[in-house]
Amino acid sequence: DQQVKQNSPSLSVQEGRISILNCDYTNSMFDYFLWYKKYPAEGPTFLISISSIKDKNEDGRFTVFLNKSAKHLSLHIVPSQPGDSAVYFCAAGNSGNTPLVFGKGTRLSVIA
Amino acid sequence: DVKVTQSSRYLVKRTGEKVFLECVQDMDHENMFWYRQDPGLGLRLIYFSYDVKMKEKGDIPEGYSVSREKKERFSLILESASTNQTSMYLCASTSLTDTQYFGPGTRLTVL
Repeated sequence: DQQVKQNSPSLSVQEGRISILNCDYTNSMFDYFLWYKKYPAEGPTFLISISSIKDKNEDGRFTVFLNKSAKHLSLHIVPSQPGDSAVYFCAAGNSGNTPLVFGKGTRLSVIA
Repeated sequence: DVKVTQSSRYLVKRTGEKVFLECVQDMDHENMFWYRQDPGLGLRLIYFSYDVKMKEKGDIPEGYSVSREKKERFSLILESASTNQTSMYLCASTSLTDTQYFGPGTRLTVL
């Protein structure tokens, strides 16, 4: 049973527009959430995170929104750039030191 | 700057061979992890370790074993490689209060 779901395997966006990547989770014990970005033949790199006590966290062009009641988070990238083309993984964890749970990823293509 | 290194970027092995994948981190992290990444399946946890000589099974431990003799090093062992173990293998480490950092990955092909 998937605890973290990314229902869109892929997304195409025009350069300069907003990219919105979505993630749903089922386990209410998760108390922090992360987004990772992965290029082919490289390891994932940490992008941005959010604690369950917040509903928004912003870092430059990247913003993560958390809706706890809906068990849903989203990553907004604005403006999107061709270099943002990658696979994005959503991950969730809790302060009980258990491993992160990852979604299956969404492949973002930013078209120039 | 956190660094997680993996012994090989690309590896080709034959069915039945014993394969060792090494991972080293330089941040004195307590926790280390091994994942495999396959298209459409995301990152799946194979094994993890919270401390030296400790190991815990992840979601897909079958066909794998691990070794953690030193805090900075976590090895993944394929006892008898099979073609369905062809994959990208990713090592990661974290402390209790830190983000999880990944190595560059090892693309393993089993022929």
